[in-house]
Amino acid sequence: EVQLLESGGGSVQRGGSLRISCAASGFEFNRFSMTWVRQAPGKGLEWVSEISGFGGTMYYADSVKGRFTVSRDNSRNTLDLQMNSLRAEDSAVYYCAKGRNMFGPFESWGQGTLVTVSS
Amino acid sequence: EIVMTQSPATLSVSPGERATLSCRASQSVSSNLVWYQQKPGQAPRLLIYGASTRATGIPARFSGSGSGTEFTLTISSLQSEDFAVYYCQQYSGWPRTFGQGTKLENK
Repeated sequence: EVQLLESGGGSVQRGGSLRISCAASGFEFNRFSMTWVRQAPGKGLEWVSEISGFGGTMYYADSVKGRFTVSRDNSRNTLDLQMNSLRAEDSAVYYCAKGRNMFGPFESWGQGTLVTVSS
Repeated sequence: EIVMTQSPATLSVSPGERATLSCRASQSVSSNLVWYQQKPGQAPRLLIYGASTRATGIPARFSGSGSGTEFTLTISSLQSEDFAVYYCQQYSGWPRTFGQGTKLENK
C-alpha cells in the first residue's frame, strides 16, 4: 500500500525559511515522479513543484520559482521542499503526491502539512 | 499557461440523480486531463485520468469524457458520499494547472 507522510510544517515569519518533507513507502520510489501541491485555507488546489524519478528534472510554479527548491533522496525514499523568502501568500496545506508514472497524474496523496507565514 | 475553467461553481443535486460537471481548457490538452474529488479535511483523491479512465477502486457511476478543450465528469446516480468538491487538472504541460473546483451539494 502506498503511503505518503508529510512533516515539517509550522509557523514561520515572513521572509523566513522552512523545509518540509514527505516520507514515502509501499512502492519503488525512484520509478515515479513526485509533486508538491498546496491549498490555501478555503481555496483551491495549486501545483507547486514536480521532480523526476531520479531527481534530474524539476519544474516549478512561477509563484515559487527562485524561492523554493524541490529535492529527493531515493536512498531514503524521501521528498523535500526547501522554502525560502516565505510570503503570507505561501500559507497553505502542502500535499506531496506520487505520479501514476513518470510525470503522470497524481494518483496518491499524503494528508498534508500546514505552513503558516505570519507578518 | 493553460487555464482550466470549471462550471458550474456549485451544483445542487438530489441523491439518486445524475450530476454533470464541466471543465474547459484554454488550449488543447489532448486527453491529459484528470478529475479529483476532495472532501472537507481530506486530501484529494484521483477519480479519472486520461480524461476517461477510472482510477483503481473508483465506482462505475463515475465517468469522464472529452478531449482537446472540453471535458465532462458524470456521476450517474449520486450517493451521499459523493457530495464534495471536484477539480479537473491538466497534465499536458507545465505548469500543471487546476480548475477552480465545482462544489457538489445536496439539494
